[in-house]
Amino acid sequence: GQNIDQPTEMTATEGAIVQINCTYQTSGFNGLFWYQQHAGEAPTFLSYNVLDGLEEKGRFSSFLSRSKGYSYLLLKELQMKDSASYLCVFMDSNYQLIWGAGTKLIIKP
Amino acid sequence: SAVISQKPSRDICQRGTSLTIQCQVDSQVTMMFWYRQQPGQSLTLIATANQGSEATYESGFVIDKFPISRPNLTFSTLTVSNMSPEDSSIYLCSVGTGEPYEQYFGPGTRLTVT
Repeated sequence: GQNIDQPTEMTATEGAIVQINCTYQTSGFNGLFWYQQHAGEAPTFLSYNVLDGLEEKGRFSSFLSRSKGYSYLLLKELQMKDSASYLCVFMDSNYQLIWGAGTKLIIKP
Repeated sequence: SAVISQKPSRDICQRGTSLTIQCQVDSQVTMMFWYRQQPGQSLTLIATANQGSEATYESGFVIDKFPISRPNLTFSTLTVSNMSPEDSSIYLCSVGTGEPYEQYFGPGTRLTVT
């Protein structure tokens, strides 16, 4: 079967760094995405990894290890507006998106 | 990227009625999708809306319950038919822009069935 695991909730302090981990089990793989979803809003695209390694985009970075079925999203210099759910999503061999339940990130001053 | 609008943004409907949700994109796109997201849950793909042909439904979703239209490359509708309280959810339209397969989402329609 196909499955995604990520923590349900995390708390971090404004200005700090937080890493949100995601592990997946899949019979095929065509990439891994991270989306951000603020409460009551639609998801917005953050990153896409298809090769192993780290992709950096401003304060956000995403890492992928295909052999380990593992990814993380790294958020630096946390701001209050970063309080949101972060969804780990992988694309299977049929190019279908499989969505994780999301990690609710709470930022405290 | 693409700008996507959905109507209505929210509605409260009675059991047994139907609601049609509209999704409009500001540019022509090949792929359009309809998702459902229940409170505190992840997104579940309902179907892929295909222009000029029937939609492709995911397991657990059928055309009689969720008929979809896609008359052109910028517009689609999803109807939630014969509604029950279990259909209360947020319904999201998204579009795919091709490489690298990222999707852009509309603001969603919050449906409450009483």
